[in-house]
Amino acid sequence: SAVISQKPSRDICQRGTSLTIQCQVDSQVTMMFWYRQQPGQSLTLIATANQGSEATYESGFVIDKFPISRPNLTFSTLTVSNLSPEDSSIYLCSVGLNSNQPQHFGDGTRLSIL
Amino acid sequence: SQQGEEDPQALSIQEGENATMNCSYKTSINNLQWYRQNSGRGLVHLILIRSNEREKHSGRLRVTLDTSKKSSSLLITASRAADTASYFCATASGGGADGLTFGKGTHLIIQP
Repeated sequence: SAVISQKPSRDICQRGTSLTIQCQVDSQVTMMFWYRQQPGQSLTLIATANQGSEATYESGFVIDKFPISRPNLTFSTLTVSNLSPEDSSIYLCSVGLNSNQPQHFGDGTRLSIL
Repeated sequence: SQQGEEDPQALSIQEGENATMNCSYKTSINNLQWYRQNSGRGLVHLILIRSNEREKHSGRLRVTLDTSKKSSSLLITASRAADTASYFCATASGGGADGLTFGKGTHLIIQP
């Protein structure tokens, strides 16, 4: 399976600032996704990162708050903008070859807001 | 949006016993996957079962799928302390590059 490197592994940020999270894969993958896991909760899909085009966002998530880039088939970034305490979560990227194959996850970024 | 419900939400058993977790979902699926998460870390993929399969095994893991009841179960046999983790089911609806819809998870504690 693909090796996924997610950075940073954790960060503490001030309110009103932004954090950009990187997801690097060691091989080309068709699908890349971003998920949020709020404290003590399950994972919720934020968006599908589309290579060369705008990301596809799930209900409740908007581009202004969670801009996503995917310049090629091995790399994506998620920015969490205008941070507030409610954004304190673990953010995870995942990759997959197709919808009939398992998705594999990075180790996640644990974000805390002061 | 989340559609899955895991049952139970928490489970504590003695080492060596079997652990069974259940998952229900609401819409039609292409496949269902089970993941393990240790202490808020990244997710580890355990097993994928397709909608036309009824049972699948992998080592000490056994997964069943009943599409008529929209439910799945994960059985861990001969549990070990290292199995202590949160377990999530996730469904893929197919029809393209869909992300996964996760259940709420079961927190499993194996007592030595």
